Amino acid sequence: EAGVVQSPRYKIIEKKQPVAFWCNPISGHNTLYWYLQNLGQGPELLIRYENEEAVDDSQLPKDRFSAERLKGVDSTLKIQPAELGDSAVYLCASSLDSGGIDNEQFFGPGTRLTVL
Amino acid sequence: LAKTTQPISMDSYEGQEVNITCSHNNIATNDYITWYQQFPSQGPRFIIQGYKTKVTNEVASLFIPADRKSSTLSLPRVSLSDTAVYYCLVGNSGYALNFGKGTSLLVTP
Repeated sequence: EAGVVQSPRYKIIEKKQPVAFWCNPISGHNTLYWYLQNLGQGPELLIRYENEEAVDDSQLPKDRFSAERLKGVDSTLKIQPAELGDSAVYLCASSLDSGGIDNEQFFGPGTRLTVL
Repeated sequence: LAKTTQPISMDSYEGQEVNITCSHNNIATNDYITWYQQFPSQGPRFIIQGYKTKVTNEVASLFIPADRKSSTLSLPRVSLSDTAVYYCLVGNSGYALNFGKGTSLLVTP
């Protein structure tokens, strides 16, 4: 079974340019997450979707970040315009929609963004 | 979410047992304890989860004392490939995981 797919794996852009990341979760997983991971730190949640609804976007910097999951399957995270401080790894994860112990999150390999 | 405290780094030799302890003094009654592993250039990977006493799977064991204010991840006979960052998370939902900085484990020959 395919895991969480992310593209691109690497992206280098100049500041003030827009950038988009794409994620395809594991088939059947209703919950999708976007995380940001800075060097030497653990992942930090940006947004969580249950199907197509964003149920937790409290940590998403809405002035420049946006996300969508239109059909409740794949998702896109966008930054416009990018700033130097946005350089990080952007991770996507998915899980079965369960509130119990079966809430293991499966992570993709991430997209490493470098803003010059 | 309960705050967790774990060592920043640990070193071990191949073949040794490694125990990583995580403190979570304000764990809630309905919180679970979950450990993830992350290799360089990869996303975190679920290792083990427990609520109380002991849980064992093919990768690790998780020991949780009766007061649940701490937990210990035990990796038996580590190999070089166990070099990774290990995160301890506490919560009652898998949705908003607080990863913290984790413990960087280095295994050497």
